[in-house]
Amino acid sequence: DVHMTQSPTSLSASVGDRVSITCRASQGILNYLAWYQQQPGKLPKLLIYGASTLQSGVPSRFSGSGSGTDFTLTISSLQPEDVGTYYCQRYSAAPPTFGPGTKVEIK
Amino acid sequence: EVQLVESGGRLIQPGGSLRLSCAASGFAFDDYAMHWVRQAPGRGLEWVAGITWNSGTIAYAASVQGRFIISRDNAKNSLYLQMNRLRTEDTAFYYCLRTLSWTSYYDNWGQGTLVTVSS
Repeated sequence: DVHMTQSPTSLSASVGDRVSITCRASQGILNYLAWYQQQPGKLPKLLIYGASTLQSGVPSRFSGSGSGTDFTLTISSLQPEDVGTYYCQRYSAAPPTFGPGTKVEIK
Repeated sequence: EVQLVESGGRLIQPGGSLRLSCAASGFAFDDYAMHWVRQAPGRGLEWVAGITWNSGTIAYAASVQGRFIISRDNAKNSLYLQMNRLRTEDTAFYYCLRTLSWTSYYDNWGQGTLVTVSS
């Protein structure tokens, strides 16, 4: 199975900061990568699919990039409502696998 | 509006069996593959099982292979997960999810149903 890692495990940043989260696949997955946000006590929410396509309704401060094995989720200007855990998921083949998550907090 | 409503979760003793159900509405159920994904309290997301639109392909995570059975009834727009020989590590929220292709991202999440395996 393809293994997914994320870094950092957690981060703390100020409102307005630019924040980046990295996701790495143990094998190439082309652009079959999605990002989810899980706010505290809430359900996961799809942010990005195809590595860089923004899901409808998701604020434009979120962006995704990468292909192959290395991917990045960027929040251009961190807002208080962005607090939560972010997961990457590869869906290049079965079984789909998730990264371990990155916890984002406000400083 | 797409709705996925899971049910059947409860407290159960180790070694027991439980059947989860998912009622789907708001979309053409038999156009979609369906999956179960779980999340233990305070932990990450784990894909559990998946089934294609016509039940022609079924797959399981290694952690549940041989203990869980996924099935669907397209006439009832329903997805099921039969969980046998439950272990404490199966404790989690279980979510039913849809994908247009066999493997894809998940765009609609139901509220989930909580399975607690404990003596």
